[in-house]
Amino acid sequence: QIQLVESGGGVVQPGRSLRLSCAASGFTFSSHVMHWVRQAPGKGLNWVATISYDGGNIFYADSVKGRFTISRDNAENTLYLQMNSLRAEDTAVYLCARGGIFTEYWAMDPWGQGTLVTVSS
Amino acid sequence: DVVMTQSPLSLPVTLGQSASISCRSSQSLVYSDGNAYLNWFHQRPGQSPRRLIYKVSNRDSGVPDRFSGSGSGTDFTLTINRVEAEDVGVYYCMQSTQWPLAFGGGTKVEIK
Repeated sequence: QIQLVESGGGVVQPGRSLRLSCAASGFTFSSHVMHWVRQAPGKGLNWVATISYDGGNIFYADSVKGRFTISRDNAENTLYLQMNSLRAEDTAVYLCARGGIFTEYWAMDPWGQGTLVTVSS
Repeated sequence: DVVMTQSPLSLPVTLGQSASISCRSSQSLVYSDGNAYLNWFHQRPGQSPRRLIYKVSNRDSGVPDRFSGSGSGTDFTLTINRVEAEDVGVYYCMQSTQWPLAFGGGTKVEIK
């Protein structure tokens, strides 16, 4: 069955960096768009970033542009989110989600369970 | 940017009755290919979201036919017929027609 398992979250001071991973299995990872979405504690869902199947097209929310970098390793079936210059408002559960085939950016299913990032001094 | 507005914020429902959630977009969600990329997700407490509906009215595999999506342009509705206890949680609409992708604020469904 399809599995998406996020890791790498934790407590980090403002201004520091963190790298999240999303290990995928049960489908042909290299053929799918992948997304990162975050959810602040007790709040709604917010899209963070999207990457095409081959990494050739990348899109970011304005709130993270220039600070976060989405990437993927298709040989390792893993999606990444490098987060730099972290701020208190980046505190959230970060979830990865599978997109559609190749450049079908519109799809978002299924989702992982998420990893919690807490930015605090 | 497209802004997604859901209503109501909270929806108490009686078991066995119907419930409707509205989602409005600030711009038309019809893409150049004629499709409207409007999705509905359900998030139970303590769980990650699960997609229910894609492209306005297409039910995902395994989703009960009690759930239906409708609408066009900028106005969309998720209807739950014969509400069951397992339907509680927060429902989100999301547009994936244009960048940036955007979610509605969510509607919390609870049993009366």
